[in-house]
Amino acid sequence: DVKVTQSSRYLVKRTGEKVFLECVQDMDHENMFWYRQDPGLGLRLIYFSYDVKMKEKGDIPEGYSVSREKKERFSLILESASTNQTSMYLCASRETGVVGNTIYFGEGSWLTVV
Amino acid sequence: GDSVTQMEGPVTLSEEAFLTINCTYTATGYPSLFWYVQYPGEGLQLLLKATKADDKGSNKGFEATYRKETTSFHLEKGSVQVSDSAVYFCALVSGGYNKLIFGAGTRLAVHP
Repeated sequence: DVKVTQSSRYLVKRTGEKVFLECVQDMDHENMFWYRQDPGLGLRLIYFSYDVKMKEKGDIPEGYSVSREKKERFSLILESASTNQTSMYLCASRETGVVGNTIYFGEGSWLTVV
Repeated sequence: GDSVTQMEGPVTLSEEAFLTINCTYTATGYPSLFWYVQYPGEGLQLLLKATKADDKGSNKGFEATYRKETTSFHLEKGSVQVSDSAVYFCALVSGGYNKLIFGAGTRLAVHP
């Protein structure tokens, strides 16, 4: 079975802290994604990576950065957390080369910034 | 740009009622279309998908047909159960790197 694992399910951080959200997939997928989910807004793409050390900005990259040093791991970094980054963060991955191939999601990380 | 529009929720139904959740899209080219479901406290799971016009995706009693002429992908189920209570997201794959673009989600609550 496909597995996307987000290491932290629930985090509480203080304003100004540096926050790392880790995601690991076991399917050897090239593409990985970070979304944030907010009520009424659905899922919005923060960053995606189409291969190791490659990254592209999504729709809302401000205040975030990412790291992909190994194929299986994609990290989301909040350089200086702010209260408006309180949200649910979802990591996802997919293989390339197949039309309509499925994107697989992790269980999500609930981040509260106080 | 490409986008997905879903009917607003919440949708509240009695068990065994018929369900329709409307979804329309705007996209260049020929996107693939998806429905994802999110149960309370969990991530998103693929429910069904369709990759070309007139394709019908189906799973767990849910169905959706890719209608290019109306740019729609409405989700239907003939008889809902309490266990179907969840948030449903319509989505399309767009762009060279196949980014997934989501609708805002529709919350479904099914009562006994």
